[in-house]
Amino acid sequence: QQPVQSPQAVILREGEDAVINCSSSKALYSVHWYRQKHGEAPVFLMILLKGGEQKGHDKISASFNEKKQQSSLYLTASQLSYSGTYFCGTFIGNEKLTFGTGTRLTIIP
Amino acid sequence: GAVVSQHPSRVICKSGTSVKIECRSLDFQATTMFWYRQFPKKSLMLMATSNEGSKATYEQGVEKDKFLINHASLTLSTLTVTSAHPEDSSFYICSARGAGEAGELFFGEGSRLTVL
Repeated sequence: QQPVQSPQAVILREGEDAVINCSSSKALYSVHWYRQKHGEAPVFLMILLKGGEQKGHDKISASFNEKKQQSSLYLTASQLSYSGTYFCGTFIGNEKLTFGTGTRLTIIP
Repeated sequence: GAVVSQHPSRVICKSGTSVKIECRSLDFQATTMFWYRQFPKKSLMLMATSNEGSKATYEQGVEKDKFLINHASLTLSTLTVTSAHPEDSSFYICSARGAGEAGELFFGEGSRLTVL
């Protein structure tokens, strides 16, 4: 029941845009997005709760489709600091957070 | 935001010894904490849910006798890797759920265990 993310890895030049997708075979209660730098713990980015919801801050935003089975994370005008591995996550049974397969993002100057 | 502290950040031990990792919520009470394990270039896999004052709930395939979890207070959960072997080498991360509606997770800094 682990959400599947695509792409698995992406390399961008600074200033380019990226889209990371998170898909589930079942409707999700909510979707969380986290970013993890190498050797560090994940850092919370945002949560989406409602089907059709879109939210964001700065140049990072996310959407949650109407059926609540897919979420996308949008990174615009990427910065070097955006590099890391991005995970979506969802609560199973509203109790424990299960992480997606992960997407490794590398930003080069 | 809420702060979760994990200690030690790195530990190297000999095969057969036990290692204890502590996870503390510094500015809030956490009735539930989660322990994750992460292998290089892999996702975080939930090992167990730690509940204050009761037994931990382990995920399928996780040996409860090998990974002992104790949650004796509202601010402290510990994970003890007993009789550690090289295959137990990994990055262990604890987390606690926030009090908000959606319950975002706050993570400790992680503990990198190397078993020789």
